[in-house]
Amino acid sequence: AQSVTQLDSHVSVSEGTPVLLRCNYSSSYSPSLFWYVQHPNKGLQLLLKYTSAATLVKGINGFEAEFKKSETSFHLTKPSAHMSDAAEYFCVVSDPDSNYQLIWGAGTKLIIKP
Amino acid sequence: DADVTQTPRNRITKTGKRIMLECSQTKGHDRMYWYRQDPGLGLRLIYYSFDVKDINKGEISDGYSVSRQAQAKFSLSLESAIPNQTALYFCATSDPDRLNEQFFGPGTRLTVL
Repeated sequence: AQSVTQLDSHVSVSEGTPVLLRCNYSSSYSPSLFWYVQHPNKGLQLLLKYTSAATLVKGINGFEAEFKKSETSFHLTKPSAHMSDAAEYFCVVSDPDSNYQLIWGAGTKLIIKP
Repeated sequence: DADVTQTPRNRITKTGKRIMLECSQTKGHDRMYWYRQDPGLGLRLIYYSFDVKDINKGEISDGYSVSRQAQAKFSLSLESAIPNQTALYFCATSDPDRLNEQFFGPGTRLTVL
């Protein structure tokens, strides 16, 4: 069975500094991986997805994530945080054993300090 | 233009009441889902449907039922609401040709007193 672990429940960075949100997965297969973002009182929006084409995936709003099979990781990064990045971020894996349902991490709340 | 809509957006009800949450989509997707979100737990799958005649239980289906009235409509019911069903509920659709990428509605905030 697939599973996802987001290693930090909260991450706090200063505006203009780099962002790193960590995600590890367990999978028996070559996984499909996603990052979703949820801004306060808003719905969920896809940031980026890994489709096995390229290990470095670029998403919206300057975010990117690198798939590292040897480390079973899919960490999300951004070079320079902006106040508008304050939100909750979810790492998600698609489970081929259950019709490719999505398995969600618990979420990481990103706090941006002025 | 909203592709996935949910009604109501907010609802406060009392223990024991029957509640229905509705979801409509214009994306033309066959697959639809209901999730609940609780703080610190991410999203948990309640029910999913791969077409009008195909309904499946998810991780936490107890206390819930669903109805797929048409390709575009998928309703979630709480037959007798209880306080621990207080949560944010999301409807989603997905496209299997896009690795099952899911598209979410805006959510319904349900409070059971």
